[in-house]
Amino acid sequence: AQTVTQSQPEMSVQEAETVTLSCTYDTSESDYYLFWYKQPPSRQMILVIRQEAYKQQNATENRFSVNFQKAAKSFSLKISDSQLGDAAMYFCAFKDIYGGATNKLIFGTGTLLAVQP
Amino acid sequence: DVKVTQSSRYLVKRTGEKVFLECVQDMDHENMFWYRQDPGLGLRLIYFSYDVKMKEKGDIPEGYSVSREKKERFSLILESASTNQTSMYLCASSLSRPGGSGQPQHFGDGTRLSIL
Repeated sequence: AQTVTQSQPEMSVQEAETVTLSCTYDTSESDYYLFWYKQPPSRQMILVIRQEAYKQQNATENRFSVNFQKAAKSFSLKISDSQLGDAAMYFCAFKDIYGGATNKLIFGTGTLLAVQP
Repeated sequence: DVKVTQSSRYLVKRTGEKVFLECVQDMDHENMFWYRQDPGLGLRLIYFSYDVKMKEKGDIPEGYSVSREKKERFSLILESASTNQTSMYLCASSLSRPGGSGQPQHFGDGTRLSIL
């Protein structure tokens, strides 16, 4: 069974600095998707970034980028120029491409990011 | 934008009560999901539905049931609420694509349920 591990329960970063959140996963599949979701204190979970395993290029969305190391099964999220609005719980998630059309996700336990002014 | 609406933000019920959590999405998504979120455990899938009247058990279905009579609505039912079901419940929806695609899930605001 696939698993997703986030080893950092809490992280802190100074405003305008860069922070990296770690995520590792375990799977025997070669094709899959990886996601980072953000859950601000208002609680609605929103998608931050998505990576297809068959793409070697790391995904980027504005200040958010990933370091995808397929062989190491690592998928870290880098937040550049951190802003107060980045404070949230961040979840890493995995989707097996062969899971069919139901799009079932497996989530990590989350990393709570605090941004210090 | 996709809108996933959960009927209550906070709910307090008593042990043994039958509890209904409602979720409605407005984007004609085929897939709908119910998760519970607990500190240190992340999100765990309770049930999901890939079509009207279709449902499949997730990782922790015990003590729960679901209903999907209409495409836009997915209900989670606690048949006889117990204190260990006190949790945050999140509903999500997504498009379905053949072969399994990277369609993201869209979440509601969550319902914080307390069972006394």
